[in-house]
Amino acid sequence: AQRVTQPEKLLSVFKGAPVELKCNYSYSGSPELFWYVQYSRQRLQLLLRHISRESIKGFTADLNKGETSFHLKKPFAQEEDSAMYYCAPSTGGGNKLTFGTGTQLKVEL
Amino acid sequence: DGGITQSPKYLFRKEGQNVTLSCEQNLNHDAMYWYRQDPGQGLRLIYYSQIVNDFQKGDIAEGYSVSREKKESFPLTVTSAQKNPTAFYLCASSLLQGYSNQPQHFGDGTRLSIL
Repeated sequence: AQRVTQPEKLLSVFKGAPVELKCNYSYSGSPELFWYVQYSRQRLQLLLRHISRESIKGFTADLNKGETSFHLKKPFAQEEDSAMYYCAPSTGGGNKLTFGTGTQLKVEL
Repeated sequence: DGGITQSPKYLFRKEGQNVTLSCEQNLNHDAMYWYRQDPGQGLRLIYYSQIVNDFQKGDIAEGYSVSREKKESFPLTVTSAQKNPTAFYLCASSLLQGYSNQPQHFGDGTRLSIL
């Protein structure tokens, strides 16, 4: 069965510090990976997808097939980055997603 | 913010009662999904539908039922067979385009509690 692991429930960093939210997956195939984010009192929304290879709000994520990881990174955390982040591989047909348990990022001043 | 509308926002169920959660989308999306969110467990897929009048079970379909009579609507019924229904329920929709997986768009959710 496909599994996705986000080892940190809570990650607390100071403003301006680098951020790395970890995601490891096990999936037999070529998954497509997404990061979703939920800001306070907002809907869960897409942050970025690995095939786009773009930076969104300063965040990037590289798919490492050897390590089966898709860590989310940002060089300098901002207060507005505080949110819940979910890693989600797409698991086969029907555009289905398997969500990790999420990491709550807290950026402190 | 339109797109996907879930109602009600809060719902209470008595023991032995079936309740139906509404999900409507005006994005002309092909696929719709229901997830259950419990503390510390992320989102788990209950049912999904790629086309009208067709749907498939997700990872935790037992005790739930759905219908897809219209493209824009995908109601979820929590039946009395679901022994632990207290949770936050999220509905989502997406386009289906070829082999590329399209982002899912989410509603605000419905919080279901047992009286």
